[in-house]
Amino acid sequence: NAGVTQTPKFQVLKTGQSMTLQCAQDMNHNSMYWYRQDPGMGLRLIYYSASEGTTDKGEVPNGYNVSRLNKREFSLRLESAAPSQTSVYFCASSEIIASDTEAFFGQGTRLTVV
Amino acid sequence: DAKTTQPPSMDCAEGRAANLPCNHSTISGNEYVYWYRQIHSQGPQYIIHGLKNNETNEMASLIITEDRKSSTLILPHATLRDTAVYYCIVRVAGEYGNKLVFGAGTILRVKS
Repeated sequence: NAGVTQTPKFQVLKTGQSMTLQCAQDMNHNSMYWYRQDPGMGLRLIYYSASEGTTDKGEVPNGYNVSRLNKREFSLRLESAAPSQTSVYFCASSEIIASDTEAFFGQGTRLTVV
Repeated sequence: DAKTTQPPSMDCAEGRAANLPCNHSTISGNEYVYWYRQIHSQGPQYIIHGLKNNETNEMASLIITEDRKSSTLILPHATLRDTAVYYCIVRVAGEYGNKLVFGAGTILRVKS
Protein backbone atom coordinates (compact mmCIF):
# COMPACT_ATOMS: atom_id res chain seq x y z
CA ASN A 1 0.00 0.00 0.00
CA ALA A 2 1.39 3.40 -0.99
CA GLY A 3 -0.33 5.49 1.71
CA VAL A 4 0.91 9.09 1.46
CA THR A 5 3.37 9.82 -1.34
CA GLN A 6 5.42 12.99 -1.54
CA THR A 7 7.44 14.24 -4.48
CA PRO A 8 10.19 15.18 -4.80
CA LYS A 9 12.17 13.62 -1.94
CA PHE A 10 15.00 16.13 -2.20
CA GLN A 11 15.23 19.59 -3.75
CA VAL A 12 17.71 22.43 -3.83
CA LEU A 13 16.46 25.88 -4.81
CA LYS A 14 18.07 29.24 -5.26
CA THR A 15 16.66 32.18 -3.36
CA GLY A 16 13.71 33.62 -5.25
CA GLN A 17 12.90 30.49 -7.22
CA SER A 18 9.48 28.92 -7.00
CA MET A 19 8.43 25.32 -6.73
CA THR A 20 5.50 23.09 -5.85
CA LEU A 21 5.67 20.15 -3.49
CA GLN A 22 3.26 17.41 -4.41
CA CYS A 23 1.37 15.09 -2.08
CA ALA A 24 -1.06 12.31 -2.91
CA GLN A 25 -2.87 9.80 -0.72
CA ASP A 26 -4.68 6.64 -1.73
CA MET A 27 -6.69 6.02 1.45
CA ASN A 28 -9.74 8.07 0.45
CA HIS A 29 -9.12 10.45 3.34
CA ASN A 30 -10.93 13.75 3.55
CA SER A 31 -8.32 15.78 5.45
CA MET A 32 -4.78 16.57 4.36
CA TYR A 33 -2.00 18.56 6.02
CA TRP A 34 1.35 20.18 5.32
CA TYR A 35 3.96 20.47 8.06
CA ARG A 36 7.52 21.70 8.17
CA GLN A 37 10.23 20.47 10.50
CA ASP A 38 13.38 22.46 11.10
CA PRO A 39 16.49 20.75 12.49
CA GLY A 40 16.02 19.65 16.09
CA MET A 41 12.45 20.94 16.21
CA GLY A 42 8.99 19.45 16.23
CA LEU A 43 6.58 19.65 13.31
CA ARG A 44 4.76 22.90 12.66
CA LEU A 45 1.53 23.04 10.73
CA ILE A 46 1.64 25.20 7.60
CA TYR A 47 -1.76 24.64 6.04
CA TYR A 48 -4.44 22.02 6.16
CA SER A 49 -7.45 21.01 4.14
CA ALA A 50 -10.29 19.49 6.13
CA SER A 51 -12.08 18.37 2.98
CA GLU A 52 -11.97 18.84 -0.77
CA GLY A 53 -12.59 22.49 -1.54
CA THR A 54 -11.49 23.90 1.82
CA THR A 55 -8.13 25.04 3.12
CA ASP A 56 -7.10 26.80 6.30
CA LYS A 57 -3.94 28.32 7.72
CA GLY A 58 -1.91 26.60 10.36
CA GLU A 59 0.80 27.99 12.62
CA VAL A 60 3.29 29.14 9.96
CA PRO A 61 1.51 29.90 6.65
CA ASN A 62 3.52 32.93 5.53
CA GLY A 63 5.40 32.39 2.27
CA TYR A 64 3.29 29.40 1.22
CA ASN A 65 0.18 28.68 -0.78
CA VAL A 66 -1.75 25.44 -1.10
CA SER A 67 -4.12 23.83 -3.52
CA ARG A 68 -6.45 20.93 -2.83
CA LEU A 69 -6.57 19.71 -6.38
CA ASN A 70 -8.97 16.87 -5.65
CA LYS A 71 -9.61 14.46 -2.82
CA ARG A 72 -6.31 12.66 -3.40
CA GLU A 73 -3.91 15.53 -3.93
CA PHE A 74 -2.79 18.50 -1.85
CA SER A 75 0.07 20.63 -3.12
CA LEU A 76 2.25 23.21 -1.37
CA ARG A 77 3.74 26.07 -3.35
CA LEU A 78 6.64 28.34 -2.52
CA GLU A 79 6.33 31.39 -4.76
CA SER A 80 9.67 32.97 -3.91
CA ALA A 81 11.87 30.67 -1.87
CA ALA A 82 13.94 32.06 0.99
CA PRO A 83 16.75 30.44 3.00
CA SER A 84 14.43 30.47 6.04
CA GLN A 85 12.27 27.94 4.20
CA THR A 86 15.04 25.35 4.27
CA SER A 87 13.35 22.50 6.08
CA VAL A 88 11.88 19.04 5.81
CA TYR A 89 8.28 19.14 4.65
CA PHE A 90 5.80 16.45 5.60
CA CYS A 91 2.38 15.80 4.16
CA ALA A 92 -0.26 13.88 6.10
CA SER A 93 -3.82 12.70 5.65
CA SER A 94 -6.66 11.54 7.88
CA GLU A 95 -10.40 11.20 8.10
CA ILE A 96 -12.36 14.28 9.12
CA ILE A 97 -15.66 13.20 10.51
CA ALA A 98 -14.47 11.43 13.64
CA SER A 99 -11.85 13.02 15.82
CA ASP A 100 -10.53 9.67 16.93
CA THR A 101 -8.79 8.57 13.77
CA GLU A 102 -5.08 8.52 13.13
CA ALA A 103 -3.17 10.56 10.58
CA PHE A 104 -0.72 8.99 8.16
CA PHE A 105 2.45 10.79 7.13
CA GLY A 106 4.58 10.75 4.03
CA GLN A 107 8.34 10.30 4.15
CA GLY A 108 9.10 13.96 3.67
CA THR A 109 10.63 16.35 1.16
CA ARG A 110 14.02 17.74 2.12
CA LEU A 111 14.27 21.26 0.76
CA THR A 112 17.38 23.42 0.81
CA VAL A 113 17.24 27.06 -0.29
CA VAL A 114 20.63 28.61 -1.03
CA ASP B 1 -5.63 25.28 20.96
CA ALA B 2 -4.76 22.87 23.74
CA LYS B 3 -1.03 22.57 24.28
CA THR B 4 1.08 19.72 25.55
CA THR B 5 4.21 19.70 27.68
CA GLN B 6 6.75 16.88 27.60
CA PRO B 7 10.23 16.40 29.06
CA PRO B 8 12.88 17.06 26.42
CA SER B 9 14.62 13.72 26.83
CA MET B 10 14.58 10.42 28.71
CA ASP B 11 16.76 7.34 28.91
CA CYS B 12 15.57 3.77 29.31
CA ALA B 13 17.37 0.46 29.66
CA GLU B 14 16.70 -2.11 26.98
CA GLY B 15 14.03 -4.59 28.06
CA ARG B 16 12.60 -2.29 30.70
CA ALA B 17 9.37 -0.34 30.49
CA ALA B 18 9.62 3.18 29.14
CA ASN B 19 7.14 5.62 30.70
CA LEU B 20 6.77 8.88 28.83
CA PRO B 21 4.73 11.59 30.55
CA CYS B 22 2.70 14.38 28.97
CA ASN B 23 0.81 17.30 30.46
CA HIS B 24 -2.23 18.69 28.66
CA SER B 25 -3.90 20.74 31.38
CA THR B 26 -6.00 22.85 28.97
CA ILE B 27 -7.51 19.92 27.12
CA SER B 28 -11.22 20.16 26.33
CA GLY B 29 -13.74 17.45 26.99
CA ASN B 30 -13.97 16.24 23.41
CA GLU B 31 -10.27 16.40 22.50
CA TYR B 32 -8.36 13.17 22.05
CA VAL B 33 -4.76 12.61 23.11
CA TYR B 34 -2.53 11.11 20.41
CA TRP B 35 0.98 9.74 20.53
CA TYR B 36 3.30 9.57 17.54
CA ARG B 37 6.97 8.82 17.20
CA GLN B 38 9.59 9.83 14.68
CA ILE B 39 12.64 7.73 13.95
CA HIS B 40 15.65 9.26 12.16
CA SER B 41 13.67 12.14 10.64
CA GLN B 42 11.28 9.77 8.87
CA GLY B 43 7.61 10.64 8.74
CA PRO B 44 5.91 10.43 12.15
CA GLN B 45 4.37 7.07 12.97
CA TYR B 46 1.08 6.70 14.84
CA ILE B 47 1.29 4.79 18.14
CA ILE B 48 -1.95 5.12 20.08
CA HIS B 49 -4.70 7.54 21.08
CA GLY B 50 -7.41 7.89 23.73
CA LEU B 51 -10.10 10.12 25.15
CA LYS B 52 -10.54 9.24 28.81
CA ASN B 53 -10.16 5.50 29.16
CA ASN B 54 -6.83 3.71 29.25
CA GLU B 55 -5.92 2.15 25.92
CA THR B 56 -3.62 -0.67 24.86
CA ASN B 57 -2.51 -1.96 21.49
CA GLU B 58 0.32 -4.08 20.18
CA MET B 59 2.79 -1.21 20.44
CA ALA B 60 2.01 0.53 23.71
CA SER B 61 -0.37 1.44 26.51
CA LEU B 62 -1.83 4.86 27.20
CA ILE B 63 -2.80 5.86 30.73
CA ILE B 64 -4.93 9.01 31.02
CA THR B 65 -5.57 10.57 34.42
CA GLU B 66 -9.14 10.91 35.58
CA ASP B 67 -9.09 14.69 35.23
CA ARG B 68 -7.54 14.25 31.74
CA LYS B 69 -4.87 16.83 32.44
CA SER B 70 -2.03 14.41 31.87
CA SER B 71 -1.22 11.06 30.33
CA THR B 72 1.59 8.51 30.16
CA LEU B 73 2.69 6.42 27.22
CA ILE B 74 4.11 3.07 28.26
CA LEU B 75 6.34 0.95 26.05
CA PRO B 76 6.32 -2.27 28.06
CA HIS B 77 9.62 -3.77 26.90
CA ALA B 78 11.71 -1.13 25.20
CA THR B 79 14.16 -2.18 22.50
CA LEU B 80 16.96 -0.26 20.80
CA ARG B 81 14.64 0.26 17.82
CA ASP B 82 12.31 2.28 20.06
CA THR B 83 14.89 5.06 20.24
CA ALA B 84 13.00 7.98 18.69
CA VAL B 85 11.32 11.30 19.35
CA TYR B 86 7.89 10.77 20.89
CA TYR B 87 5.18 13.35 20.42
CA CYS B 88 2.12 13.80 22.60
CA ILE B 89 -0.54 15.65 20.63
CA VAL B 90 -4.02 16.90 21.27
CA ARG B 91 -6.20 16.90 18.20
CA VAL B 92 -8.09 20.19 18.08
CA ALA B 93 -10.99 21.46 16.06
CA GLY B 94 -10.22 24.19 13.57
CA GLU B 95 -12.66 26.30 11.62
CA TYR B 96 -12.74 23.78 8.82
CA GLY B 97 -12.05 20.58 10.70
CA ASN B 98 -9.66 18.78 12.98
CA LYS B 99 -5.93 19.32 12.95
CA LEU B 100 -2.88 17.95 14.72
CA VAL B 101 -0.61 20.44 16.46
CA PHE B 102 2.79 19.03 17.47
CA GLY B 103 4.96 20.10 20.38
CA ALA B 104 8.71 19.58 20.74
CA GLY B 105 8.42 15.95 21.83
CA THR B 106 10.57 13.74 24.07
CA ILE B 107 13.77 12.15 22.80
CA LEU B 108 13.78 8.60 24.14
CA ARG B 109 17.13 6.89 24.17
CA VAL B 110 17.02 3.15 24.78
CA LYS B 111 20.38 1.86 25.95
CA SER B 112 21.75 -1.67 26.13
